Amino acid sequence: AQSVTQLGSHVSVSEGALVLLRCNYSSSVPPYLFWYVQYPNQGLQLLLKYTTGATLVKGINGFEAEFKKSETSFHLTKPSAHMSDAAEYFCAVRGQGAQKLVFGQGTRLTINP
Amino acid sequence: DAGVIQSPRHEVTEMGQEVTLRCKPISGHNSLFWYRQTMMRGLELLIYFNNNVPIDDSGMPEDRFSAKMPNASFSTLKIQPSEPRDSAVYFCASSPREPGELFFGEGSRLTVL
Repeated sequence: AQSVTQLGSHVSVSEGALVLLRCNYSSSVPPYLFWYVQYPNQGLQLLLKYTTGATLVKGINGFEAEFKKSETSFHLTKPSAHMSDAAEYFCAVRGQGAQKLVFGQGTRLTINP
Repeated sequence: DAGVIQSPRHEVTEMGQEVTLRCKPISGHNSLFWYRQTMMRGLELLIYFNNNVPIDDSGMPEDRFSAKMPNASFSTLKIQPSEPRDSAVYFCASSPREPGELFFGEGSRLTVL
């Protein structure tokens, strides 16, 4: 079975500051890990994914995430926040061989000018 | 390539009426998912299909909800009769084989009065 915990339902940072959104997962098999972003009144859009290989994954819009097996974490970061990053972010896990993604509850990111 | 296409984008109906939501997945994807999103409950998986066959419908709230996938390019989610508590945004998503990331449609916002 897989599960995802996103620490913090709301995160607020200043424009230009570091963005850090936390995600921890549990999986009984090697996981595939994903981050999605949802802008208001839109569907979820894939930001980045980890499947195999390099544990540091780069995505769109300057975001990246690092798979840390020892910590069962897949935190999302961006060095410098932009106003356009304000959105809801979802972490998701899928065990290899499983058919469905399990989503976290989401983290709403607010950017202060 | 066209993404996942959902219709209608917005639906306002009265309690007791039948509602049909439609989805056209991305060509070549073999899995299709229906999600519901509300403020209170977040993102909930209702049902998913693999190669047009329903695999897991444990998330369907009750018998008023039904979903079909008559062919690889079309799926419907039907609510009959609708109730105010069904008001939500309903998302359809499709995915290819491994690693199986989801591609979401723009959603259908349902309001039941």
